[in-house]
Amino acid sequence: DVKVTQSSRYLVKRTGEKVFLECVQDMDHENMFWYRQDPGLGLRLIYFSYDVKMKEKGDIPEGYSVSREKKERFSLILESASTNQTSMYLCASRPGKSISPLHFGNGTRLTVT
Amino acid sequence: SQQGEEDPQALSIQEGENATMNCSYKTSINNLQWYRQNSGRGLVHLILIRSNEREKHSGRLRVTLDTSKKSSSLLITASRAADTASYFCATAPGSNYKLTFGKGTLLTVNP
Repeated sequence: DVKVTQSSRYLVKRTGEKVFLECVQDMDHENMFWYRQDPGLGLRLIYFSYDVKMKEKGDIPEGYSVSREKKERFSLILESASTNQTSMYLCASRPGKSISPLHFGNGTRLTVT
Repeated sequence: SQQGEEDPQALSIQEGENATMNCSYKTSINNLQWYRQNSGRGLVHLILIRSNEREKHSGRLRVTLDTSKKSSSLLITASRAADTASYFCATAPGSNYKLTFGKGTLLTVNP
């Protein structure tokens, strides 16, 4: 079974802090994704990466950056956390073929105070 | 931008009944996928239907796709309390890297 592991289930940070959310997958998947999930808004794509060092903006990239230095790890960075970034963050991965389901981690619930 | 929209937003049924959820989308797609999310957890893939397919089954799940109406439905037969979850449709349009999710249907199955 594919395993996608997000480093923290719950995280509390202060406004202005730099925040790193880590995601690791163990199935050699080429594609990795970061979504945020908010009540009433569903899942929105922040960034995705189709291979090592490759990244592409999703629908809501403002205030975020990403890093993919190794195939198994995809990091989401909040350069200067703000309260409107309080959310559930979900990481996912899949093989490089376009018709493949996503495998999700269990999410990181981030609170910015 | 939201591609898929599920309907209804919430559905409450009794154990043993069937549950039907609908998904409408806006642009042409390569495939449509359904996912389930238990409270506070990540999403789990249920079923994928390609744009040239009309119906697909997996256990108690039946998915239909009508590309002319840009809609899909997910039917769960003989529901169980363990089916209580949020259900999301997701579509892959021209750019297949970007899988776009709807807002979900919250299904409650009462024992």
